[in-house]
Amino acid sequence: QKEVEQNSGPLSVPEGAIASLNCTYSDRGSQSFFWYRQYSGKSPELIMSIYSNGDKEDGRFTAQLNKASQYVSLLIRDSQPSDSATYLCAVLEPKNSGYALNFGKGTSLLVTP
Amino acid sequence: IAGITQAPTSQILAAGRRMTLRCTQDMRHNAMYWYRQDLGLGLRLIHYSNTAGTTGKGEVPDGYSVSRANTDDFPLTLASAVPSQTSVYFCASSPGGANTEAFFGQGTRLTVV
Repeated sequence: QKEVEQNSGPLSVPEGAIASLNCTYSDRGSQSFFWYRQYSGKSPELIMSIYSNGDKEDGRFTAQLNKASQYVSLLIRDSQPSDSATYLCAVLEPKNSGYALNFGKGTSLLVTP
Repeated sequence: IAGITQAPTSQILAAGRRMTLRCTQDMRHNAMYWYRQDLGLGLRLIHYSNTAGTTGKGEVPDGYSVSRANTDDFPLTLASAVPSQTSVYFCASSPGGANTEAFFGQGTRLTVV
């Protein structure tokens, strides 16, 4: 089983600050990466996808990918208390003739007012 | 509203009983997945299906079976439930392909006593 590693946290940041969430993966051949947000008692919801090295921005969220270092990160600017959730890093892996997501264990983010 | 529907939302089950968790999607996605989520262990893939008529084993398939008779439905069966199968079960679907994300149902909370 290929590994996807995240710091479990909790990561605590004050409201308005930048939250930085990190993820490393073991399969050097991986090409597709995703960040999901999961509120307590709810299902995961997609925030960002990234496939190429560099940065990808969507509103207050920026995903960063460095395939050489096998590292993907998520930055949340102007963090809000509503951003408090668990953030799951996922790497797409081949499964026979298709693919499936391999998830990290998630990082818990707490944004304090 | 398009999406993924899981049933039941929660269930208490006696050990040794048979149980089928239902999952239906109306997005005409090719691929479907079953994950279980346990505290400290994250989301783990149980079984997957890349297309109707095919299934495959994930990371933790023992004690579970699936079928994919058509595009929309992907039931998960526990033939003889054990307490270690107490978990939150998520069904997900994806259009398929290398750069497509997965969308999740609302989850089924199963307690085996």
